Amino acid sequence: QQQVKQSPQSLIVQKGGISIINCAYENTAFDYFPWYQQFPGKGPALLIAIRPDVSEKKEGRFTISFNKSAKQFSLHIMDSQPGDSATYFCAASGRGSGYALNFGKGTSLLVTP
Amino acid sequence: KAGVTQTPRYLIKTRGQQVTLSCSPISGHRSVSWYQQTPGQGLQFLFEYFSETQRNKGNFPGRFSGRQFSNSRSEMNVSTLELGDSALYLCASNVEGTGELFFGEGSRLTVL
Repeated sequence: QQQVKQSPQSLIVQKGGISIINCAYENTAFDYFPWYQQFPGKGPALLIAIRPDVSEKKEGRFTISFNKSAKQFSLHIMDSQPGDSATYFCAASGRGSGYALNFGKGTSLLVTP
Repeated sequence: KAGVTQTPRYLIKTRGQQVTLSCSPISGHRSVSWYQQTPGQGLQFLFEYFSETQRNKGNFPGRFSGRQFSNSRSEMNVSTLELGDSALYLCASNVEGTGELFFGEGSRLTVL
């Protein structure tokens, strides 16, 4: 049973546009919500993460928005660049499960020139 | 600082065989976890080790096992391989107290 649901499965954005990926979770014990970026042939790399005590976190062109009451969080990539083309995974972990991450199924992002 | 190192990077096995994969975490990281990545199921948690003890285990059959050594290096073993075990097996390490996992490039297992 998928504990974290991610959408869309794939996304095409023009260079300079905003890429938005959404995730939803059910387990209220989750208290850590990271986003990972994966390029072909590479392992996932942490992009940005948030905890539920804040509603938004920004790092450069990447922003996480977090809605605790709706149990949803999203990744916004501003000014998307062709180099951002990759697969993005949201994840969640929480109390009682150590650092075990529950991943969404991923979003394949293509940024066109 | 060297990243997480996984060996071998690629391997091909036949059904019924067993396989052992190795992971060397980032120096100073004592927590190691393993994930299976497939196109259909995505990234799924296998197990997590800290100080040579399995701290957490995912929902995989007993054919999947692992261990951690005193130098924090870890191995995972899959016995009686099935076609469905074909996947990218990823190892990650982290500093205890932080959830920031650093992943290796994975071991790609093909079962024929």
